[in-house]
Amino acid sequence: DAGVIQSPRHEVTEMGQEVTLRCKPISGHNSLFWYRQTMMRGLELLIYFNNNVPIDDSGMPEDRFSAKMPNASFSTLKIQPSEPRDSAVYFCASSPPISSASYEQYFGPGTRLTVT
Amino acid sequence: GEDVEQSLFLSVREGDSSVINCTYTDSSSTYLYWYKQEPGAGLQLLTYIFSNMDMKQDQRLTVLLNKKDKHLSLRIADTQTGDSAIYFCAERKSGGYNKLIFGAGTRLAVHP
Repeated sequence: DAGVIQSPRHEVTEMGQEVTLRCKPISGHNSLFWYRQTMMRGLELLIYFNNNVPIDDSGMPEDRFSAKMPNASFSTLKIQPSEPRDSAVYFCASSPPISSASYEQYFGPGTRLTVT
Repeated sequence: GEDVEQSLFLSVREGDSSVINCTYTDSSSTYLYWYKQEPGAGLQLLTYIFSNMDMKQDQRLTVLLNKKDKHLSLRIADTQTGDSAIYFCAERKSGGYNKLIFGAGTRLAVHP
């Protein structure tokens, strides 16, 4: 299996621009998580989905952030408009169904976002 | 609150043992995890322990769980330079969605 795939790996954009981060979870996994990592705040859970349905978006910092999961194999995290303080590494992770008795989250390699 | 707490830094000499400590908050957490993050990479699961266990050993890794004190530790025997990384402790919340609460991570530096 290819693991969790994220694109792009690096993104540099100007303040005010729209940014879209993409994630393909591992096939067969039904939970998907978006995290943000910064030196100041560590690893923060932004939102997670189960069976393509958003379960908890309380970690989304503000209305500029939105996430979608139109099907089981694809999710996006969008920032519009972007600001310098959004600069961070964004991770996507997926996990298999609870019934599989595996409780691990598998992380993608991350997208490093720089907003100038 | 939901805080999982870890010390931020640990420095050890190559060949010595490293012990990374963590305290968690939810006594009903069913699984507790240690993840490793190498520079420029995502988090990878190192090991985990089920809440009804006190200890788990896996080659150079030993996990100890004290449920009474909600304390988790990771011991790395014979620490190597390749063990230099950030180590995250995490607890799986009770409930059905595999939501994990992560600590801030402990940066382990291994020096000759």
